[in-house]
Amino acid sequence: SAVISQKPSRDICQRGTSLTIQCQVDSQVTMMFWYRQQPGQSLTLIATANQGSEATYESGFVIDKFPISRPNLTFSTLTVSNMSPEDSSIYLCSVAFSTDNQPQHFGDGTRLSIL
Amino acid sequence: QKEVEQNSGPLSVPEGAIASLNCTYSDRGSQSFFWYRQYSGKSPELIMSIYSNGDKEDGRFTAQLNKASQYVSLLIRDSQPSDSATYLCAGTPLEKLTFGTGTRLTIIP
Repeated sequence: SAVISQKPSRDICQRGTSLTIQCQVDSQVTMMFWYRQQPGQSLTLIATANQGSEATYESGFVIDKFPISRPNLTFSTLTVSNMSPEDSSIYLCSVAFSTDNQPQHFGDGTRLSIL
Repeated sequence: QKEVEQNSGPLSVPEGAIASLNCTYSDRGSQSFFWYRQYSGKSPELIMSIYSNGDKEDGRFTAQLNKASQYVSLLIRDSQPSDSATYLCAGTPLEKLTFGTGTRLTIIP
């Protein structure tokens, strides 16, 4: 498995601002993903971060609100833009070592609160 | 119908007993299934993967897959208080990892 580091681990932000979350992996991985987990809920996939190209977003999530970068095989960022209290959630980065239905492994998450 | 469904619980089991967690899925094309454990305030941790019909054992954990019935289960033998957590079932309908809502398990000392 890999060591997956997410920063920041938590933050409290003002509405209308933006926050960028970083995900760093200690080895090259094929797939990187971003999830949201709201309190007491399961995980919802935001997007698949594609290396060198635009991310693939799930229904209900758009690039203007959640821009994602993946410049290489070990690093990705998720920005939560123009935040509102509804964006208060835990944001999780996950990785997979191949594309053929292999398990994903999660970072420690970023707990985000919007005032 | 949700693609991956779990009983939300909560489920309480005495220490030392067998905890049984169940999951059903709707897409017969799903190839892979996973069980994750999530402690409160922590991220999900992979504990079992299963890809073919039958049982797969790892220590006190046994995953069972029945593709004909579209059913996945996780058995935890000799349950310990440290097993108290939310357990998430995940499958791959349309080759995309999809999570159930999770079952909260409490082991009673």
